[in-house]
Amino acid sequence: QKEVEQNSGPLSVPEGAIASLNCTYSDRVSQSFFWYRQYSGKSPELIMSIYSNGDKEDGRFTAQLNKASQYVSLLIRDSQPSDSATYLCAVNSGSARQLTFGSGTQLTVLP
Amino acid sequence: SQTIHQWPATLVQPVGSPLSLECTVEGTSNPNLYWYRQAAGRGLQLLFYSVGIGQISSEVPQNLSASRPQDRQFILSSKKLLLSDSGFYLCAWSSGGENIQYFGAGTRLSVL
Repeated sequence: QKEVEQNSGPLSVPEGAIASLNCTYSDRVSQSFFWYRQYSGKSPELIMSIYSNGDKEDGRFTAQLNKASQYVSLLIRDSQPSDSATYLCAVNSGSARQLTFGSGTQLTVLP
Repeated sequence: SQTIHQWPATLVQPVGSPLSLECTVEGTSNPNLYWYRQAAGRGLQLLFYSVGIGQISSEVPQNLSASRPQDRQFILSSKKLLLSDSGFYLCAWSSGGENIQYFGAGTRLSVL
């Protein structure tokens, strides 16, 4: 069974700090990796996608992928209280355009 | 641009009653469509997905069913709701050539 594991959290960081969110996956053939942000009571929204080994930066967000270690992470620089949310890691599963989601890490940024 | 509509936003239903949740996508053709359920504090569980009209794949055996009567319409149904059907139901779409999924606003279902 394909699995996506995230550090359990909750994670609390002070405002302005770097938040580091981690995710591991079991399916070695996965090729697409995503981070979604979900505010309480709302639906997930895509914040980052990454397909190749290395880093991908978008504003304050950096996604890091290491396929050999089956590991993907999300760094949030200069964390803001508005970043407080649950972050879901998602990995593609097979050819039917399916995603397997982790259970999420709840991040709280303290003012 | 593409948009996804999902309704209703909240729903309270008695045990044993029927269910119909609807999802429509605008601005794209032949999307892949998905129904997920999210229990409180949990991740997303894929219930059904569809790659075309009338093509439904079920991921989890349950008393729910899905239908896709039109290209951009996806319906989640139940004949008799159970208490365990309570949760946050999310519809999502992706284009035929990508894995990125975009979510609707969700329906919060409480079965009492």
